[in-house]
Amino acid sequence: QSALTQPASVSGSPGQSITISCTGTSSDVGGDKYVSWYQQHPGKAPKLMIYEVSNRPSGVSNRFSGSKSGNTASLTISGLQAEDEADYYCGSYTSTIALYVFGTGTKVTVL
Amino acid sequence: QVQLVESGGGLVKPGGSLRLSCAASGFTFIDYYMSWIRQAPGKGLEWLSYIPGGGSTVFYADSVKGRFTISRDNAKNSLYLQMNNLRAEDTAVYYCARYYETPDYWGQGTLVTVSS
Repeated sequence: QSALTQPASVSGSPGQSITISCTGTSSDVGGDKYVSWYQQHPGKAPKLMIYEVSNRPSGVSNRFSGSKSGNTASLTISGLQAEDEADYYCGSYTSTIALYVFGTGTKVTVL
Repeated sequence: QVQLVESGGGLVKPGGSLRLSCAASGFTFIDYYMSWIRQAPGKGLEWLSYIPGGGSTVFYADSVKGRFTISRDNAKNSLYLQMNNLRAEDTAVYYCARYYETPDYWGQGTLVTVSS
């Protein structure tokens, strides 16, 4: 099963907005509403930031937003802060036998 | 609050076996699918398997199918992963996660190292 494609790295200055893309196929990202985003700090477990394309779990800052167009989902972080520096992964339900697939991961650097 | 605590990781020789456990609390365990996900050192996340609340039909990634077995004991609020015929490439941190349309809550992980 192939991973979803994300850029290896994205950077921005404090206060700026950045967007991370996540490209899949019509069998996963494009075919379903079950696209999620996770934040992972070094040595820590991933934390759910966005589910069902654009919903935020309770307690997640509204600086994080998600969207989708065709086979590509996006995570936007607005008002970038130092604490946002982490790895970010997308994930999606897939109609193939794999049933769930993650993205390749994006390292976000706050300059 | 939801808590997931993995245990059972360690150093094992290639070809060996290991059984991971995940103790769940803070939610009605039987109501949820549960999953195992791993992360090799310096690498991304890899979904491995999940199991419904009733434990009937289970699903595996191709990379572990036939070698790993997921199971659960709802009376003990516990999830398990039996890993057989381990290979060097199975070296990773193994996470258990509650699955509700997506892996939503994760444990802190347990490290499995396969090396001679």
